[in-house]
Amino acid sequence: EIVLTQSPGTLSLSPGERATLSCRASQSVSNRYLAWYQQKPGQAPRLLIYGASSRATGIPDRFSGSGSGTDFTLTISRLEPEDFAVYYCQRYGSSPYTFGQGTKLEIK
Amino acid sequence: QVQLVQSGAEVKKPGASVKVSCKASGYRFSSYFMHWVRQAPGQGPEWMGIINPSGGSPTYAQKFQGRVTMTGDTSTSTVYMELSSLRSDDTAVYYCARDMGAGNLDFWGQGTLVTVSS
Repeated sequence: EIVLTQSPGTLSLSPGERATLSCRASQSVSNRYLAWYQQKPGQAPRLLIYGASSRATGIPDRFSGSGSGTDFTLTISRLEPEDFAVYYCQRYGSSPYTFGQGTKLEIK
Repeated sequence: QVQLVQSGAEVKKPGASVKVSCKASGYRFSSYFMHWVRQAPGQGPEWMGIINPSGGSPTYAQKFQGRVTMTGDTSTSTVYMELSSLRSDDTAVYYCARDMGAGNLDFWGQGTLVTVSS
């Protein structure tokens, strides 16, 4: 089973700043089958990025994903107040479809 | 518009079973696989399994093998997840989520809180 490790656990930034979130896999993720989700309190996760770098429908272009193999990054270019949430990466393509433990993005 | 509407919150005693439903609308139900994901309080999502609503055997996470059963009913566009032999650490919000194509999840239900307590 591929284990995903996200860092940092918590990231404290101010609106307007750039956020860089990391997701490292214990084995290479084939076909760049890596997704990112945003979750706010009391809500279901929301798909942001799939295929490591493709934005899901309706996702603003300040969100971008990059990486391959075992190292992946989610970047938010200029933080808006609504971006403060928890972010999870997910490896997919075959079972088990594992998630990382999350990065909490909080207002500094 | 795509909607996944789940059944309401449940409170169960240890050892009991729970069955959660997820009714889909706004798309061709039989064309998309469905996943079940749970999230314990303060924890990240945990993948439980995947089902093809049109038939075939579901695939379950090893952790839940023997305790979980996922089924689908194309006549009502509903999928179900039943978890048996409940323990206190099964207390979580359970989500259904539509598979976009390879296992990334583009639409999610609102979640069903299952509380296991004596």
